[in-house]
Amino acid sequence: GAVVSQHPSWVICKSGTSVKIECRSLDFQATTMFWYRQFPKQSLMLMATSNEGSKATYEQGVEKDKFLINHASLTLSTLTVTSAHPEDSSFYICSATGPRTPLHFGNGTRLTVT
Amino acid sequence: DAKTTQPPSMDCAEGRAANLPCNHSTISGNEYVYWYRQIHSQGPQYIIHGLKNNETNEMASLIITEDRKSSTLILPHATLRDTAVYYCIVRETGNQFYFGTGTSLTVIP
Repeated sequence: GAVVSQHPSWVICKSGTSVKIECRSLDFQATTMFWYRQFPKQSLMLMATSNEGSKATYEQGVEKDKFLINHASLTLSTLTVTSAHPEDSSFYICSATGPRTPLHFGNGTRLTVT
Repeated sequence: DAKTTQPPSMDCAEGRAANLPCNHSTISGNEYVYWYRQIHSQGPQYIIHGLKNNETNEMASLIITEDRKSSTLILPHATLRDTAVYYCIVRETGNQFYFGTGTSLTVIP
């Protein structure tokens, strides 16, 4: 079945630094990728939608300059959390879909900002 | 925003069928019904989806009412590993995936 690989699975960084999270579709062409964040005991909150080769569309309240999304190829999207602060600590999850392919999710990245 | 409502929690005895309901009374004609589940600290796992006909795969069955305003996910023989949060999502192809609060299913030995 379709596989989405997300890396790293966890990361600890210091306040003020930037962190990049990669999301790859391993066996299908991901024309659209979605990025979510999830706080403990809460549901997934959609942050942004990215279509290959175009700028990401951000949900209301999500800062595009803080959460940089790049979707330069049909198999790779990246989320960069810039100038991270402790309140950015969360579980970030990517997902990908393509032609005739249901949405599949990566296994998430646990970000801890100290 | 999520267009579905689900009970917050359910229990099911191991080996019995788990029936998880979902209301989507404002669903439009082009929107599919998707089911995912999430085990703690993992990404959601795709289960099944359908438009108006009932669907079955190796994991589950999806029953959609004739008016499409509600659906039921059926896990025919629940196991302890089926304990998870189950999300019902309605989505039109090309649109965003919004998650509701889901149903926390606990399978009891």
